[in-house]
Amino acid sequence: ETGVTQSPTHLIKTRGQQVTLRCSSQSGHNTVSWYQQALGQGPQFIFQYYREEENGRGNFPPRFSGLQFPNYSSELNVNALELDDSALYLCASSLRGRGNTIYFGEGSWLTVV
Amino acid sequence: RKEVEQDPGPFNVPEGATVAFNCTYSNSASQSFFWYRQDCRKEPKLLMSVYSSGNEDGRFTAQLNRASQYISLLIRDSKLSDSATYLCAVNRDDKIIFGKGTRLHILP
Repeated sequence: ETGVTQSPTHLIKTRGQQVTLRCSSQSGHNTVSWYQQALGQGPQFIFQYYREEENGRGNFPPRFSGLQFPNYSSELNVNALELDDSALYLCASSLRGRGNTIYFGEGSWLTVV
Repeated sequence: RKEVEQDPGPFNVPEGATVAFNCTYSNSASQSFFWYRQDCRKEPKLLMSVYSSGNEDGRFTAQLNRASQYISLLIRDSKLSDSATYLCAVNRDDKIIFGKGTRLHILP
């Protein structure tokens, strides 16, 4: 519906493992933001990528890293998974400078056991 | 203090009632403002942008007071389908920052 697609939709990982989440932005959008939403909380800003460069980061440790590719798709990588990393991970795309309305994908549900 | 604060909720209101959500933001450099709706286990969806002049979309009215750093959302004649979590959000330095959200339950 929004043109933003995320994969996988659900996954289960073991503590200490690594995970990669993927996002394809809406056509024409050059900016991707990643959010973590724990149960009962609002989305927390992890970081943003604009034209393949990190453009701002929230209060998350370095084991949260990302990439943006020339086609503006993006990846979120989390190393050394902890139980508290269990959350919905949301990708949002936008066109920088156009009121910054962002459009979310359906998210990736990560459970760490 | 959180950058965006909302009423903790949940709100349980009868169908047909008027509901008001309040939100405050701490960074005066915030540039634009939004209300999002999030259904259970779904992604947030933009409900409306908020302007200083106030804006209305059917039963929904949003207001912004920059001097008080306060944003509001009013839902009139609430419907069962309005049950959801309502998220206040601000744009700060091209980043959208969200509040915790307020859950609304409309009771038949």
